[in-house]
Amino acid sequence: KNQVEQSPQSLIILEGKNCTLQCNYTVSPFSNLRWYKQDTGRGPVSLTIMTFSENTKSNGRYTATLDADTKQSSLHITASQLSDSASYICVVSPLNDYKLSFGAGTTVTVRA
Amino acid sequence: NAGVTQTPKFQVLKTGQSMTLQCAQDMNHEYMSWYRQDPGMGLRLIHYSVGAGITDQGEVPNGYNVSRSTTEDFPLRLLSAAPSQTSVYFCASSYSNRPVRGNYGYTFGSGTRLTVV
Repeated sequence: KNQVEQSPQSLIILEGKNCTLQCNYTVSPFSNLRWYKQDTGRGPVSLTIMTFSENTKSNGRYTATLDADTKQSSLHITASQLSDSASYICVVSPLNDYKLSFGAGTTVTVRA
Repeated sequence: NAGVTQTPKFQVLKTGQSMTLQCAQDMNHEYMSWYRQDPGMGLRLIHYSVGAGITDQGEVPNGYNVSRSTTEDFPLRLLSAAPSQTSVYFCASSYSNRPVRGNYGYTFGSGTRLTVV
């Protein structure tokens, strides 16, 4: 069973609107949680990295939150742009293991 | 430009053929890894290396071999291609993956799309 579950699987939003993506994980104990953006045909690119003691991390219009008690994270995209159309992947790093756990991703489509 | 370079970008193989996917990084990263990405699934770790001369198996290692003779290069070999190996393959590197040394991001290559017929 995948230890990282993302929702929704996909969503469509209008340019300029906000959206929030969810990530639930069971990896424990964990070292950090990362959000990546993957454009079609490209490799994932890091957006944010949060340790277990951090609650929020921003990168421009992207804001990630983390609740280590409920094992949930979210990625909020503010004032979406057409270039935000991509897959967003949640990744959890175990504390004592090299092997990352990847979510299946949420595909975001921004329409004009 | 510094980064992770993967070649080829696209490849079609016949069942039973062998080939090597190349991966090179110029960032002096200690950690390198290979993933495969299939529709509806998260990236799955095939093999990884924590330094030159050191490799280990990931989640889905069967049918693949790796070696790490230098810090820069980490090739992935398909021994006898099967249709189940049709996928997009990503190489990724990181300065370190040991949490005690800090939380370092991964740099991914642009991927190799492999089709086995």
